[in-house]
Amino acid sequence: NAGVMQNPRHLVRRRGQEARLRCSPMKGHSHVYWYRQLPEEGLKFMVYLQKENIIDESGMPKERFSAEFPKEGPSILRIQQVVRGDSAAYFCASSPREQGAATEAFFGQGTRLTVV
Amino acid sequence: DAKTTQPNSMESNEEEPVHLPCNHSTISGTDYIHWYRQLPSQGPEYVIHGLTSNVNNRMASLAIAEDRKSSTLILHRATLRDAAVYYCILLGDYKLSFGAGTTVTVRA
Repeated sequence: NAGVMQNPRHLVRRRGQEARLRCSPMKGHSHVYWYRQLPEEGLKFMVYLQKENIIDESGMPKERFSAEFPKEGPSILRIQQVVRGDSAAYFCASSPREQGAATEAFFGQGTRLTVV
Repeated sequence: DAKTTQPNSMESNEEEPVHLPCNHSTISGTDYIHWYRQLPSQGPEYVIHGLTSNVNNRMASLAIAEDRKSSTLILHRATLRDAAVYYCILLGDYKLSFGAGTTVTVRA
């Protein structure tokens, strides 16, 4: 059973370009979470999605950031018009979530975005 | 979110046990205590979780105080591969709130 797969592992974008980060959850998991880790900082929650629904996007910046988890295919975190401050490691996690707060989350290896 | 307090860092010798404390005096009755760790340049990894009773798994043990205001993660025999940042997190729903954690260094 493959774990949470994120790609690409490393992404370099010039300022003003778009970044697309992909996350395939573990098989059977229908809940996906995105977290961001800025250099020398802790992980911060960004968004929680179920298939075709955004449940909680309270941690997402109001502009330029969007996320989706379509019925088919991976979850996508999209950053438009990237700026240097977007440089960070972006982690995706998935869970089956049948047990709510008793459920463990499985994290991917992350995508390290560098904006030049 | 209920907050947790952990020491910034701890050192251990290889093959010795490591006891990582966590204080969570404002824990609510429905909060689960979760521990994750993050090895350098990797994503967080689930370690263990519990509600009221002590828990054991292949990675570690979790000792929870009777009043639930504190807990201790126990790594029974530290290896070099256990060097990581360990996060103690109270989870009431789904949103993991990572603090600064405890950086564990293991000496060979």
